[in-house]
Amino acid sequence: GQNIDQPTEMTATEGAIVQINCTYQTSGFNGLFWYQQHAGEAPTFLSYNVLDGLEEKGRFSSFLSRSKGYSYLLLKELQMKDSASYLCAVSRDDKIIFGKGTRLHILP
Amino acid sequence: KAGVTQTPRYLIKTRGQQVTLSCSPISGHRSVSWYQQTPGQGLQFLFEYFSETQRNKGNFPGRFSGRQFSNSRSEMNVSTLELGDSALYLCASRLTSGSTDTQYFGPGTRLTVL
Repeated sequence: GQNIDQPTEMTATEGAIVQINCTYQTSGFNGLFWYQQHAGEAPTFLSYNVLDGLEEKGRFSSFLSRSKGYSYLLLKELQMKDSASYLCAVSRDDKIIFGKGTRLHILP
Repeated sequence: KAGVTQTPRYLIKTRGQQVTLSCSPISGHRSVSWYQQTPGQGLQFLFEYFSETQRNKGNFPGRFSGRQFSNSRSEMNVSTLELGDSALYLCASRLTSGSTDTQYFGPGTRLTVL
């Protein structure tokens, strides 16, 4: 996905915290999206970051460093329903390009 | 406000046939993008339409085409279907305003080519 890199799979325990990283090429960068996608369903919008820093939305937070080409999605107080794929997507020159996603497994 | 709708939800075609998929964006959203999702390749950008004009295009062959109508509804057409075209086709409705950018997906059309 045009050099958008995120881990393929991660495993975490219910109630814990997990951080999903995403790195990308900075040329033409406008902003960064995070989506959640459950198996067999369409992606659901989680966040959009355009400025450096951390944005919190309930149990989910997203961080962006524009100069480093780096973002992460932080999920707190993990629940079984958080088992899903998490997609990092970059808005670049008006296109939105997706990484291949991180499949998150939650263990009880 | 109604979300993004796509029709049909499921479709089975045979090689060589053509198919047309439809998408209605969220009211007030003028940008519609189409994506192909397969297990191996993830979400691949097909094209984006804004105010009836194709604004961006991904790296797909000319068999994949689209259009957008004055009410922002969009259609995607795939001609001469191949087995490899079997995928989930997702439409996304986008609204950009200042530093805010949101893109919401429809439920998708699952296309199976036999």
